[in-house]
Amino acid sequence: QKEVEQDPGPLSVPEGAIVSLNCTYSNSAFQYFMWYRQYSRKGPELLMYTYSSGNKEDGRFTAQVDKSSKYISLFIRDSQPSDSATYLCAMSVGPGNQFYFGTGTSLTVIP
Amino acid sequence: GAVVSQHPSWVICKSGTSVKIECRSLDFQATTMFWYRQFPKQSLMLMATSNEGSKATYEQGVEKDKFLINHASLTLSTLTVTSAHPEDSSFYICSAGTGLAGGSRYTGELFFGEGSRLTVL
Repeated sequence: QKEVEQDPGPLSVPEGAIVSLNCTYSNSAFQYFMWYRQYSRKGPELLMYTYSSGNKEDGRFTAQVDKSSKYISLFIRDSQPSDSATYLCAMSVGPGNQFYFGTGTSLTVIP
Repeated sequence: GAVVSQHPSWVICKSGTSVKIECRSLDFQATTMFWYRQFPKQSLMLMATSNEGSKATYEQGVEKDKFLINHASLTLSTLTVTSAHPEDSSFYICSAGTGLAGGSRYTGELFFGEGSRLTVL
């Protein structure tokens, strides 16, 4: 079983839609949860990070962590064509520890 | 945010030759840098962790003699793919973190380079 599971998609939505991206994981020791956005042929950039459970909101982006279900989500409101990218979840047990990445979900927002 | 520069962004080489990829942190000191490779439609795969002034720690299954990593300063790490073969063709990405060593406050951020696309003919 992989440490982190993420549906690779592809996911295609119309502009303005709410997008839900999800990851599940198996290691209950994970405490740090990150979402990265990667444009084609570029390195990933950090979007959000959350420690332990709960929600975090930043503009149109909301990250949720449900440790009891070992499930994390990233919501994008009012999606824009510029949001078209691959979104990677990543998690770690703590500072200085290895990051475990999901496979990434490819998102296309259609104008 | 912090900037990590990776060079070259793409390289084509002949089978059997060696290729060096540089990763530089431009505006911060990175005690630790990470090297990944990414195949199409797949996730980032951690290859090794590079600590300044010490030997890199390689992940299981990664050949240390094939993928030479040097982290000579707090702003530069290099990955050398030795005797490259077509199966080494991939997208290689580095990242650097602040506060990862010494137990200092964890920012939760890894700053990634733009990636280097290697094609071995």
